[in-house]
Amino acid sequence: GAGVSQSPSNKVTEKGKDVELRCDPISGHTALYWYRQRLGQGLEFLIYFQGNSAPDKSGLPSDRFSAERTGESVSTLTIQRTQQEDSAVYLCASSLVPHEQYFGPGTRLTVT
Amino acid sequence: RKEVEQDPGPFNVPEGATVAFNCTYSNSASQSFFWYRQDCRKEPKLLMSVYSSGNEDGRFTAQLNRASQYISLLIRDSKLSDSATYLCVVKGNTGKLIFGQGTTLQVKP
Repeated sequence: GAGVSQSPSNKVTEKGKDVELRCDPISGHTALYWYRQRLGQGLEFLIYFQGNSAPDKSGLPSDRFSAERTGESVSTLTIQRTQQEDSAVYLCASSLVPHEQYFGPGTRLTVT
Repeated sequence: RKEVEQDPGPFNVPEGATVAFNCTYSNSASQSFFWYRQDCRKEPKLLMSVYSSGNEDGRFTAQLNRASQYISLLIRDSKLSDSATYLCVVKGNTGKLIFGQGTTLQVKP
């Protein structure tokens, strides 16, 4: 079956612009997670959805970051007024059981 | 102190070697532990869960020491295809997974 998909795969944007990253989870997966991975670094948790609610958004680095999920399906991560330190790969994962997360290929964001 | 700590390596080993990675976690109340594998420039994938009694999956053995808050992964008879970054993962209070920085393994011919 189809896995987790993310779009765009690559995004280059100018500092100060807003970007929107999309995640389509595996159909039926109730939980959805967003992570950030900087070059050579580990995964940094951003936010977690159970259904359309976000019980844990503790990892969002600033109020420039927001995320929503609709229809217990697609999720968008929005970064406003992008900064160079936002450059990273943004990974989305979905799961039926919390520990078995299936990751998408990621969106590589470069802020120039 | 990070919630999950790993030696980033890299560990460079010859084919056929046995190699072990360790990981420590800070929250003594943690109940669930896992190892994920991430190939270069790819997404992470679940390798195996870690059970209290220790568990094996082919050439891979995972062990947990709750008293020392320590998790290990042993790989026997290393293959070239084992080259990857191995991520130690602990399930947090809210259900989220907390990933370590990862340990990089390079298996050489």
